[in-house]
Amino acid sequence: DSGVTQTPKHLITATGQRVTLRCSPRSGDLSVYWYQQSLDQGLQFLIQYYNGEERAKGNILERFSAQQFPDLHSELNLSSLELGDSALYFCASSAGQSSYNEQFFGPGTRLTVL
Amino acid sequence: AQSVTQLDSQVPVFEEAPVELRCNYSSSVSVYLFWYVQYPNQGLQLLLKYLSGSTLVKGINGFEAEFNKSQTSFHLRKPSVHISDTAEYFCAVSPTVNSGYSTLTFGKGTMLLVSP
Repeated sequence: DSGVTQTPKHLITATGQRVTLRCSPRSGDLSVYWYQQSLDQGLQFLIQYYNGEERAKGNILERFSAQQFPDLHSELNLSSLELGDSALYFCASSAGQSSYNEQFFGPGTRLTVL
Repeated sequence: AQSVTQLDSQVPVFEEAPVELRCNYSSSVSVYLFWYVQYPNQGLQLLLKYLSGSTLVKGINGFEAEFNKSQTSFHLRKPSVHISDTAEYFCAVSPTVNSGYSTLTFGKGTMLLVSP
């Protein structure tokens, strides 16, 4: 158990809909990261927050947005969903914001878009 | 930009045999290097990382990796594998210049299949 929790575990929805994925980082960690894992694209970095502020952006679509709240939990919002958004979405956390900090991954949320 | 190539998508091996999982990277700047493991239906777990210093890095569960700057490689090795090592292994890099943020670039992964 990494100490990072993600809800829900599974999510099934229809095209065009909007969903929210939630992540609680390890106690004391200030950085939160979101990743997407799919069969065709592999594991891709989406976005990083540190202590409530956006720090880095990867291959995140404009239809996707995220935020980190004062209690440090984070939410990833996916809107106008398409079939291709079906994937495993991971959240990770680390104590610091830099590349050398170890990232601890949650168990993931599996999103299925029908 | 960085890219990571894991040359083998699957590596079958017998229990107690040695294994090497290959990773090559491309980057115009210096990078930190990582190996993560993903067991079925779980998140990723850090196996080991190279930040600086000795090019031979030891990690958890008996794994080690060697950084070779001239060949831009970071191959993962274990002298004797166990059934429980069956998992997917990901190599990743992140630029050292990113002092205020972190962007990990992952390879496509190598599935290690250990059979009795």
